[in-house]
Parts: sequence; C-alpha cells; structure tokens
Amino acid sequence: GQQVMQIPQYQHVQEGEDFTTYCNSSTTLSNIQWYKQRPGGHPVFLIQLVKSGEVKKQKRLTFQFGEAKKNSSLHITATQTTDVGTYFCAGKERDTGRRALTFGSGTRLQVQP
Amino acid sequence: GAVVSQHPSRVICKSGTSVKIECRSLDFQATTMFWYRQFPKKSLMLMATSNEGSKATYEQGVEKDKFLINHASLTLSTLTVTSAHPEDSSFYICSARNGDYGYTFGSGTRLTVV
Repeated sequence: GQQVMQIPQYQHVQEGEDFTTYCNSSTTLSNIQWYKQRPGGHPVFLIQLVKSGEVKKQKRLTFQFGEAKKNSSLHITATQTTDVGTYFCAGKERDTGRRALTFGSGTRLQVQP
Repeated sequence: GAVVSQHPSRVICKSGTSVKIECRSLDFQATTMFWYRQFPKKSLMLMATSNEGSKATYEQGVEKDKFLINHASLTLSTLTVTSAHPEDSSFYICSARNGDYGYTFGSGTRLTVV
C-alpha cells in the first residue's frame, strides 16, 4: 500500500534558524496537504498543494510540491518558539478513488529560545 | 467555519467495558468522516472511513467488530470501542472534509483502559 515518509524524524533548532521537512510518497499523489500538531493537540490544516511544481507561501512558511507529485517540502524561515510541534504531510493517491488521507510519519520540531 | 467537535476528550474505562466516542460536524455536513488512531509520538493511522447511511470501510487489520462505527446523520459519526482492553488505550481522532478547508480534525479522545 501507499507509504508516506518524512525526514527528519526530529529537529532541534535555535530560535531564528531555518527548518525544512521533506515528504516522500511511494505513489503519485493527487494532492498533498500539510498539518501542524502541537503537543497534546490535534492536527490543524495548514495548506493544500494540487499542481505539479506548485509553491505556496504563508508568512514564514514555504510549501513546495514536486514535479512528479510524489514529494513535497515545508520550509520555515527564522523559526520562532510558536513553531514548536509536529508537522505532518498527508496525501491522497491519484486515480484510486480513495478518499482518505495517508499521513506521513511526521517531523517533530523543537525550537530553543 | 469548518468545526468538528469530538467528545469525550478524555476517558478512563475498565477492561471489558465499551466506550463510545462522538464526532460532530458543527457547521457543515459530512457524508464521510474518518477515524484515526495515534500512538504517542507517532503518526496518524487510518482505522476506518465512516459513510453516512451505509457501512463503514475498515482498513486492513482493523477489527470491525471491535471498533463499531455508526454514521447515522450528515453531522454525526460515532466510534464504539467494544470490550476494551489496555492495548486499546490510545488517542483517537476523527476528521471530516470541508471544501477548501482541507480535512478538519476533532480535538481527539484520549482513551485509557485500566
């Protein structure tokens, strides 16, 4: 079945440093979504990318969808302590009719003030 | 908009008893809802897809008689963990899709079976 992996599993940065998490799917995706889950909380939708090669920005966050629609990345510029949490990518397989998302393994970000 | 309410948020039950978790879409209709399970520091694992007015679709390895799902209306899906055992202790989260808002998640239910 479809597998979605993320690297790194964990990252500890100093406040102000940049952070990137990479997401790779074993199958081609119809779209990719990114979620943030704070410790003890539930996943919160950040963004959806649909087009091959698409790049979207939200303030300090930059999201990218690969040309082959099998990988994606999330880059945070100048991290802040409020960025702490686990970032999950999640995708739907293309052409399968499957409605559910498959979640990546997640990258846990810790920001040192 | 796009709020999904889930309760209870936390429940402790005795081994052998059943627990019902409710998931409601508050300001939109959801013909489909999804139930996930999450272990500490792990990703979300899809358990089943709940379909309004019809049977749920379970993922491979998930016991449908153990995890009963009912989606009786366009705004409510329930997950009942029957004859719970300590290994069923986990964080259960529901979600529903709402247009351009992606998938909205409930706040989750932390189940502890003692």
